[in-house]
Amino acid sequence: GAGVSQSPSNKVTEKGKDVELRCDPISGHTALYWYRQRLGQGLEFLIYFQGNSAPDKSGLPSDRFSAERTGESVSTLTIQRTQQEDSAVYLCASSSGRIIHFGNGTRLTVT
Amino acid sequence: GENVEQHPSTLSVQEGDSAVIKCTYSDSASNYFPWYKQELGKRPQLIIDIRSNVGEKKDQRIAVTLNKTAKHFSLHITETQPEDSAVYFCAASIGNQAGTALIFGKGTTLSVSS
Repeated sequence: GAGVSQSPSNKVTEKGKDVELRCDPISGHTALYWYRQRLGQGLEFLIYFQGNSAPDKSGLPSDRFSAERTGESVSTLTIQRTQQEDSAVYLCASSSGRIIHFGNGTRLTVT
Repeated sequence: GENVEQHPSTLSVQEGDSAVIKCTYSDSASNYFPWYKQELGKRPQLIIDIRSNVGEKKDQRIAVTLNKTAKHFSLHITETQPEDSAVYFCAASIGNQAGTALIFGKGTTLSVSS
């Protein structure tokens, strides 16, 4: 594809529900990242996948957050039992080397 | 782990003036330092980057300097224009390989008034 694709672009969910966010990286990119950006805030690192290596999960804020990646393709970020503080834009990015390319993000609103 | 501090959080300049944004990092093993520009409602876009074997890099009106000893790096924008208005993020790589995860600063909102 032309770039990193994320779906849905917007998601509104009720507190306590689970949500799944999807990321399609640029074809051939071995590295995939998830970041969270709260309104007016910086980019908070969540998790990083590199090829077949064990993912770096050091940024996941709680055990309600998990992510998976199938080979070097699609990744899903799952948030269980959503809380209002989970409301943010979740950005996925991928790279094949130095330059990281971001998707447009999924705006999650927890009511 | 790596910690990146970015200053100032907001910066207002007149068109034509220069703007400087500064960042510090904590992990001496970091060796890749990109800068991203994020316009309102859009994704972050890479504008310039520097690796630790270089002290300065320029690309037209933007330049980045790196002081590895002091563990700080800066973005310089000269002859600012209204379209430079955006949020700018610095970042540092975790570990010592470009392409590994990046830790970002909290961002600087640059406003250029005409």
